[in-house]
Amino acid sequence: NAGVTQTPKFQVLKTGQSMTLQCAQDMNHEYMSWYRQDPGMGLRLIHYSVGAGITDQGEVPNGYNVSRSTTEDFPLRLLSAAPSQTSVYFCASSPQAGLHPWGQYFGPGTRLTVT
Amino acid sequence: AQKITQTQPGMFVQEKEAVTLDCTYDTSDPSYGLFWYKQPSSGEMIFLIYQGSYDQQNATEGRYSLNFQKARKSANLVISASQLGDSAMYFCAMRESTDDKIIFGKGTRLHILP
Repeated sequence: NAGVTQTPKFQVLKTGQSMTLQCAQDMNHEYMSWYRQDPGMGLRLIHYSVGAGITDQGEVPNGYNVSRSTTEDFPLRLLSAAPSQTSVYFCASSPQAGLHPWGQYFGPGTRLTVT
Repeated sequence: AQKITQTQPGMFVQEKEAVTLDCTYDTSDPSYGLFWYKQPSSGEMIFLIYQGSYDQQNATEGRYSLNFQKARKSANLVISASQLGDSAMYFCAMRESTDDKIIFGKGTRLHILP
């Protein structure tokens, strides 16, 4: 199993450009999520999904869109990049939604810089 | 709304000593789960340990244990016999039974000194 994969690893965008961060998992996990990590802020939840076709907003959803057309893929779209979106983005998955003792599996992250 | 507080931005501990990393949380849901993750300097996120609010005993996983004090709403991570490889950021996280969001604290950076 490859686990959770994210592409690209690094990206530089100009203000106003759009792009999609890709996330895929091969573990048949129901639950997937996107976080951004900024210095001193910990991880903040952007969007999450409890299954194919179902998505919901997290703590900081503005400026981001997601979709979940398959169990495996959960892309994150930046509609019009802003310097405030400069961050490290993590995708994560876990076997199911709801309370359970399994932690999330995290991807390696995408470092995004918006100039 | 969920809230996780980690009050120690950074800690320095001598190798082989025990370490306690603090985590307090705020929830009105009687059913919830608490998680701890480790992030080494390489950047990956590693799940360490889980505690359910109804678990009768404190969780343990090898050198990691959780000091769970439900009435005080604290879930401190204890690392016994610290090693140089324990130097990392540590995050506490929570999920409520009524909400599928998993919310993280701001983290504690742990430095183990030789």
